[in-house]
Amino acid sequence: EPEVTQTPSHQVTQMGQEVILRCVPISNHLYFYWYRQILGQKVEFLVSFYNNEISEKSEIFDDQFSVERPDGSNFTLKIRSTKLEDSAMYFCASRNGAGNTEAFFGQGTRLTVV
Amino acid sequence: QKEVEQDPGPLSVPEGAIVSLNCTYSNSAFQYFMWYRQYSRKGPELLMYTYSSGNKEDGRFTAQVDKSSKYISLFIRDSQPSDSATYLCAMKGAGNMLTFGGGTRLMVKP
Repeated sequence: EPEVTQTPSHQVTQMGQEVILRCVPISNHLYFYWYRQILGQKVEFLVSFYNNEISEKSEIFDDQFSVERPDGSNFTLKIRSTKLEDSAMYFCASRNGAGNTEAFFGQGTRLTVV
Repeated sequence: QKEVEQDPGPLSVPEGAIVSLNCTYSNSAFQYFMWYRQYSRKGPELLMYTYSSGNKEDGRFTAQVDKSSKYISLFIRDSQPSDSATYLCAMKGAGNMLTFGGGTRLMVKP
């Protein structure tokens, strides 16, 4: 069964360092998303991406964040200068865009900023 | 008022019980309603997807949406220990983003 895959599963980084979280969405999907979940809190929307551009973003997604689809399969989230409060699970999701279809999530990358 | 409210639980039931999980919401623009299951430190797994009001059944799971009351439910029949997880409701309007509830932790005891 097709699935969204994310790497790495766990990333530890020092405050102020740049991190790149990687995702391979389901192959025929057209819409891509990043969400995050701080431990014990709600899953929160960060950004949606369609047709090689950001279609929607939340207040969380400030200038420290960027997304890219560098090739036909990968979708990345970059955090330029990590802060302690960026520590969270980051989930990538995709949907195929035929009508308003459901989004499928990856297993997440646990980011720990020390 | 939070956009999507969900009782955090934990909800503890014996194996075989019928489980009722609920969310209320305030944004009348929401049209698409989803239930996800999340095991500890894992990604949300889609269980049910419903458009607008009505019922949808899939195996042991039934999703109900009452847009007039801004209330959605997930029923699990014949609950199993493997159903123990956190259940997240999520919803969206015409845009792209999903708005999640905080999740209800369910424990099904053998």
